Amino acid sequence: NAGVTQTPEFQVLKTGQSMTLQCAQDMNHEYMSWYRQDPGMGLRLIHYSVGAGITDQGEVPNGYNVSRSTTEDFPLRLLSAAPSQTSVYFCASSRDRQETQYFGPGTRLLVL
Amino acid sequence: AQSVSQHNHHVILSEAASLELGCNYSYGGTVNLFWYVQYPGQHLQLLLKYFSGDPLVKGIKGFEAEFIKSKFSFNLRKPSVQWSDTAEYFCAVNLRPGGYNKLIFGAGTRLAVHP
Repeated sequence: NAGVTQTPEFQVLKTGQSMTLQCAQDMNHEYMSWYRQDPGMGLRLIHYSVGAGITDQGEVPNGYNVSRSTTEDFPLRLLSAAPSQTSVYFCASSRDRQETQYFGPGTRLLVL
Repeated sequence: AQSVSQHNHHVILSEAASLELGCNYSYGGTVNLFWYVQYPGQHLQLLLKYFSGDPLVKGIKGFEAEFIKSKFSFNLRKPSVQWSDTAEYFCAVNLRPGGYNKLIFGAGTRLAVHP
């Protein structure tokens, strides 16, 4: 199993540009989530999904959209990038809502 | 509001020193508790977890943590650290039941171990 994969690894955007961060898992996990990691703030939940077709907002959802058309994929979309979205983004998945989360390698995003 | 506090943001130790990283949470209900570790350049990995039962849990690489319910604490310990333990450590609390969307992370503790 590849586990949780994320692409791209690095990305530089200009303010106002849009992009999609990809996340995929091959463990047949129902639960997937997106976090952003900022210095001194730990990980903060952006959006999560409890299964295909079902998504909900986390702690910091503004400026981000998600969809879950398949169990495997959970892309995160930035509609109009802002410098405040400069961060490291982690996707995670878990088998059950209370179980251990498995994290992807992260995407480092810089918005100029 | 629920929160997770990690008391030390940066810890510097020499090899063979003992380690204790503090973690406290604010939530009165039932919780699942986790410690994740992020080695330099790598993604987060589970170090250990507590769901129920023996409040002293053992994880990988010689780490252990003790859940003290009365103190709302879940401190991480290792009796003798190694240079390879240099990493950032995150405490996380999952509120249950129905608490998937409430996995709350602490701000993290950066540990540097000098040989």
